Amino acid sequence: DAKTTQPPSMDCAEGRAANLPCNHSTISGNEYVYWYRQIHSQGPQYIIHGLKNNETNEMASLIITEDRKSSTLILPHATLRDTAVYYCIAYFGNEKLTFGTGTRLTIIP
Amino acid sequence: NAGVTQTPKFQVLKTGQSMTLQCAQDMNHEYMSWYRQDPGMGLRLIHYSVGAGITDQGEVPNGYNVSRSTTEDFPLRLLSAAPSQTSVYFCASSTHWDRQLVGYTFGSGTRLTVV
Repeated sequence: DAKTTQPPSMDCAEGRAANLPCNHSTISGNEYVYWYRQIHSQGPQYIIHGLKNNETNEMASLIITEDRKSSTLILPHATLRDTAVYYCIAYFGNEKLTFGTGTRLTIIP
Repeated sequence: NAGVTQTPKFQVLKTGQSMTLQCAQDMNHEYMSWYRQDPGMGLRLIHYSVGAGITDQGEVPNGYNVSRSTTEDFPLRLLSAAPSQTSVYFCASSTHWDRQLVGYTFGSGTRLTVV
């Protein structure tokens, strides 16, 4: 599985769009980019995933660069409930999912 | 659907005791995994399973056993509890949809303290 690099922490004002970057420069052609988040002491929550096309669901949008070496998770209108640790994972979608250290996102009122 | 159910939610063990953490899912998912999360740390994979009768080791398997006799259940056994196993344990499950692995569904966790 490709290594991913995320900033350790970010702040975002409530109501603004939160843009969380992820670098995965060694990603291979059939590795997907998955995003999860973990709200304090709860189990992680799946957000979105994609291969090379941009994806959107009810929670977020995922923008993957054309060369697939980086991606951005966008929370369009951040609320206080979006304060969490966000994990970007690049892997084949096989059964062995491992987590890095993620980005701690704090939404500021 | 209940999703992924973990029991118990809290447990205190004495050093050397054994116990089983239960995990059950009702989504007919073939993939199941166990993670531990120490305070202020990320999640580490203990064991995982790709289907009934098949299990494999993750990053930190020592001191733990698993079995997968049914699709629904994936219990985690602590053989002889040690204080280093004080942690929060999460169970998760997933399946393939349209040849892609859908996002894992996690349980709410078991908070284990070994004294």
